[in-house]
Amino acid sequence: QKEVEQDPGPLSVPEGAIVSLNCTYSNSAFQYFMWYRQYSRKGPELLMYTYSSGNKEDGRFTAQVDKSSKYISLFIRDSQPSDSATYLCAPATNAGGTSYGKLTFGQGTILTVHP
Amino acid sequence: DAGVIQSPRHEVTEMGQEVTLRCKPISGHNSLFWYRQTMMRGLELLIYFNNNVPIDDSGMPEDRFSAKMPNASFSTLKIQPSEPRDSAVYFCASSYLRGEQYFGPGTRLTVT
Repeated sequence: QKEVEQDPGPLSVPEGAIVSLNCTYSNSAFQYFMWYRQYSRKGPELLMYTYSSGNKEDGRFTAQVDKSSKYISLFIRDSQPSDSATYLCAPATNAGGTSYGKLTFGQGTILTVHP
Repeated sequence: DAGVIQSPRHEVTEMGQEVTLRCKPISGHNSLFWYRQTMMRGLELLIYFNNNVPIDDSGMPEDRFSAKMPNASFSTLKIQPSEPRDSAVYFCASSYLRGEQYFGPGTRLTVT
């Protein structure tokens, strides 16, 4: 079993839809939960992250972590064609202070938002 | 800042040849990471350095792979000899004090 499981999709939605992207993980030591966005033929870029459980909102994006069920979610409201990309979850352990250990990436979900 | 710089952007080589990938991290960053991305296996960490010292190379697939970081502004990933199954996109990323990782544009390697 992989440490991080993510449905690769692909996921296709109309513009304006609410998108839900999810991951499950098995390592109880994970405390940081990152979401990366990767456009075609580009490197991943950090979208947002949460520490421990709870929600975090940033504009149209909301990240949610449920440590009891080891479930990570990213919601995109009012999705736009520019949101079309691959979304990767990447949990990590706490390495002390504001540092985190190595990232363990999910497979990535390919999202297409069509006009 | 120019961000993380990787070269070459594309590499096509024949099986058995030596391949060297290069990375220049963001100035001031002290951690550097090498990843490999394939459709089958996703994004995998190969090795990472902290202050130019290799900390964890458990992701390096086999002895054909080696990585060096001779100074804070340069790292190489070498594959010798290369095999078709090494075909992938190789990313370098850097961070400061193991915080947010910034990825380079990647090197697309094809081994025929």
